[in-house]
Amino acid sequence: GQNIDQPTEMTATEGAIVQINCTYQTSGFNGLFWYQQHAGEAPTFLSYNVLDGLEEKGRFSSFLSRSKGYSYLLLKELQMKDSASYLCAVKDSNYQLIWGAGTKLIIKP
Amino acid sequence: IAGITQAPTSQILAAGRRMTLRCTQDMRHNAMYWYRQDLGLGLRLIHYSNTAGTTGKGEVPDGYSVSRANTDDFPLTLASAVPSQTSVYFCASSDSAPGEGGELFFGEGSRLTVL
Repeated sequence: GQNIDQPTEMTATEGAIVQINCTYQTSGFNGLFWYQQHAGEAPTFLSYNVLDGLEEKGRFSSFLSRSKGYSYLLLKELQMKDSASYLCAVKDSNYQLIWGAGTKLIIKP
Repeated sequence: IAGITQAPTSQILAAGRRMTLRCTQDMRHNAMYWYRQDLGLGLRLIHYSNTAGTTGKGEVPDGYSVSRANTDDFPLTLASAVPSQTSVYFCASSDSAPGEGGELFFGEGSRLTVL
């Protein structure tokens, strides 16, 4: 079966750096997405990786290793507004998105 | 700019009743999707439409139906609601073909409770 694994919950301190990992086993691979979802709100797009390596976008970076079935989202200079769930999703060989259950990130002052 | 609008935002429904969740987008996106989100689980695809006039089944289609008469509207119907359909439902759209990257744009969600 297809599977996306992420930690259920993480806690970090305001101003610090946090890395949220995502491992996947899917039938084929056509890209990996990260979305942010604040409580009670809709998911919003953060990043897309289809080739190995690091994609940087402001305070957020996303890394992909296709050979390891692994990605991480790196958040720098954490702010209280970064408290949210972070969803990892992989597009499989049929171009269907397979979603992880999400990682709830709690930021403490 | 409205983006994607869902209605209702919240609804309590008696089991056995018929319910339609509405979804309208003004971005002229070809692809539209319905997901359900349950605690502890990833988003699960119910139905999708790659273009107006076509629809397809996702991971959990049973008990749900959709139609795509035009580009903008993609309603989701529960013919006879059951308690296991209690969930938060998200409509989403994308302007990319399935083989391309294509971020999804989500509506604000419809929280449905079936008693």
